[in-house]
Amino acid sequence: ELKVEQNPLFLSMQEGKNYTIYCNYSTTSDRLYWYRQDPGKSLESLFVLLSNGAVKQEGRLMASLDTKARLSTLHITAAVHDLSATYFCAGPQGGSEKLVFGKGTKLTVNP
Amino acid sequence: EPEVTQTPSHQVTQMGQEVILRCVPISNHLYFYWYRQILGQKVEFLVSFYNNEISEKSEIFDDQFSVERPDGSNFTLKIRSTKLEDSAMYFCASSEYGGSYNEQFFGPGTRLTVL
Repeated sequence: ELKVEQNPLFLSMQEGKNYTIYCNYSTTSDRLYWYRQDPGKSLESLFVLLSNGAVKQEGRLMASLDTKARLSTLHITAAVHDLSATYFCAGPQGGSEKLVFGKGTKLTVNP
Repeated sequence: EPEVTQTPSHQVTQMGQEVILRCVPISNHLYFYWYRQILGQKVEFLVSFYNNEISEKSEIFDDQFSVERPDGSNFTLKIRSTKLEDSAMYFCASSEYGGSYNEQFFGPGTRLTVL
């Protein structure tokens, strides 16, 4: 059974700073998803990482996948207030239909 | 851009009542899913559905839950006799191909409140 662990679970940072959110998963997978969720809203797909070494960037967010280390990272560069949200990583449960989500990282960017 | 839609956005019900949550998946998608998120917790898989039958369900999806595709566009989740612990956000998702390796697209969710 796939387990997905995110850390930190809460992150408060100042505008302009950089930080990284980590997503570890327990079984081999060559695919990892990152979602953003604003309070009371749906899951917005941010990145789909499809292979080892995959790196994708969108604005101030960059995601990477290391399948050997079973680790994905979401790096935030020069944070702005609009990035405040909860970020989830999710991995596919092999041989299954389901996605397994981490607990989420609640990011607060302070002015 | 095609998207998954869900109705209602918020449903309030009394304990023991039946509720039906509705979803319209993306039109060319064949695989449908329900997930739920209890407030402040992670998103959990409930059920997947393909070719008019359940393909997989979690231990959460007990006899109180059922899913149906009543017509060519809607996909519904029914909870027969709601409990307080059913209060959660319920997300519908769909994908073009099956298996968790194919990207699932999520709807905006229905917030269910059981009083």
